[in-house]
Amino acid sequence: EPEVTQTPSHQVTQMGQEVILRCVPISNHLYFYWYRQILGQKVEFLVSFYNNEISEKSEIFDDQFSVERPDGSNFTLKIRSTKLEDSAMYFCASGSTANYGYTFGSGTRLTVV
Amino acid sequence: AQSVTQLGSHVSVSEGALVLLRCNYSSSVPPYLFWYVQYPNQGLQLLLKYTTGATLVKGINGFEAEFKKSETSFHLTKPSAHMSDAAEYFCAVSESGGSNYKLTFGKGTLLTVNP
Repeated sequence: EPEVTQTPSHQVTQMGQEVILRCVPISNHLYFYWYRQILGQKVEFLVSFYNNEISEKSEIFDDQFSVERPDGSNFTLKIRSTKLEDSAMYFCASGSTANYGYTFGSGTRLTVV
Repeated sequence: AQSVTQLGSHVSVSEGALVLLRCNYSSSVPPYLFWYVQYPNQGLQLLLKYTTGATLVKGINGFEAEFKKSETSFHLTKPSAHMSDAAEYFCAVSESGGSNYKLTFGKGTLLTVNP
């Protein structure tokens, strides 16, 4: 069964550092997403990406965040200057127009110290 | 705006007993509804979904859910719990007719299954 692959599975970074979280969506999917889950809280939408541009973003997704699909296969989330409160599990997901309900990756646990 | 309320952050059942996880939603347009399961240290796996058509939907691992528009509910059930069902379950809603399929999640319900 096709999978969404996320790397790394766990990343520790110092406050103020830039991090890039990587995702390889399912190859024939058109919609791409990032969600995050702070420990003990609900899964929250960050951003959606379609046709090489952001289609919607939440208020969480401020100027410190950016997304890119640099080569047609990878989908990355960059946090420019990490804060302690960015510590969370970040999930990438992809979906097609014909298959409501995406496929999520297994997540990257980001710890900012 | 959409929202999801999952009643009960923690549900405990005995093995073989009925599982009932409650979900109520709010949506200004006809919703698409989903249940996801998250096993420890893993990602979110789609259990089942309702988009249109039959209101009783069957998913993987013997789970099913019924969309009740009048009650704005989408409760998840399984007739007989198994130890392997222990996990966290998330209900989610998306707006139909949109081009984005953004999901709004509930806070999740942790299911424990006792031997």
